[in-house]
Amino acid sequence: DIQMTQSPSSLSASVGDRVTLTCRASLPISTYLNWYQQKPGKAPKLLIYGASSLQSGIPSRFSGSGSGTDFTLTISSLQPEDFATYYCQQSYSAPPYTFGQGTKLEIK
Amino acid sequence: QLQLQESGPGLVKPSETLSLTCTVSGGSISSKDYYWGWLRQPPGKGLEWIASVFYTGTTYYSPSLKSRLTISVDTSKNQFSLSLNSVTAADTAVYYCARLQFLEWYQFDYWGQGTLVTVSS
Repeated sequence: DIQMTQSPSSLSASVGDRVTLTCRASLPISTYLNWYQQKPGKAPKLLIYGASSLQSGIPSRFSGSGSGTDFTLTISSLQPEDFATYYCQQSYSAPPYTFGQGTKLEIK
Repeated sequence: QLQLQESGPGLVKPSETLSLTCTVSGGSISSKDYYWGWLRQPPGKGLEWIASVFYTGTTYYSPSLKSRLTISVDTSKNQFSLSLNSVTAADTAVYYCARLQFLEWYQFDYWGQGTLVTVSS
């Protein structure tokens, strides 16, 4: 199975900051990479699919990039509602669909 | 608006079978563009894909759980179901049902709210 590793595991930032989260695949996965946001007690929400395509209804401050093994999720200007845990997920060699361990974005 | 809703017991005894159903509303489970899947999240941990099913009955299972899993679909009720046997405390988790879009990228684009299943005597 392809392993997904996210870094950092947690990150403290302030409202208005630009933040970049990283996801690395253990093997090349082209652009078969999706990003999800999860708030406590809620289901994950799809943000980005195909590494860089913004899901309908998601604010444009979210963007994704990368291909092969290295990917990033960038939030251009953090809003209070963006503090959550973010997961990447590969769908290149799937099933199984594998997720990273998550990055928890906290308020500084 | 598509909605998914999980249902089933919140408490299961060790060695018994966990059974959950996901009811889909606002759309047809018989669409050729989507699979339907189950994922889980142990308390305080990350997400794990468990299984997926197509409306025709084609199934895919997590290799680590395959021997204990059954996923099925009932198109007449617009539902799909999960059965996990011989459960242990390690199967305690929030279980989510979700739609898997596979037109190009294979992403889980709609999720149920999740249901906590605790394995305990």
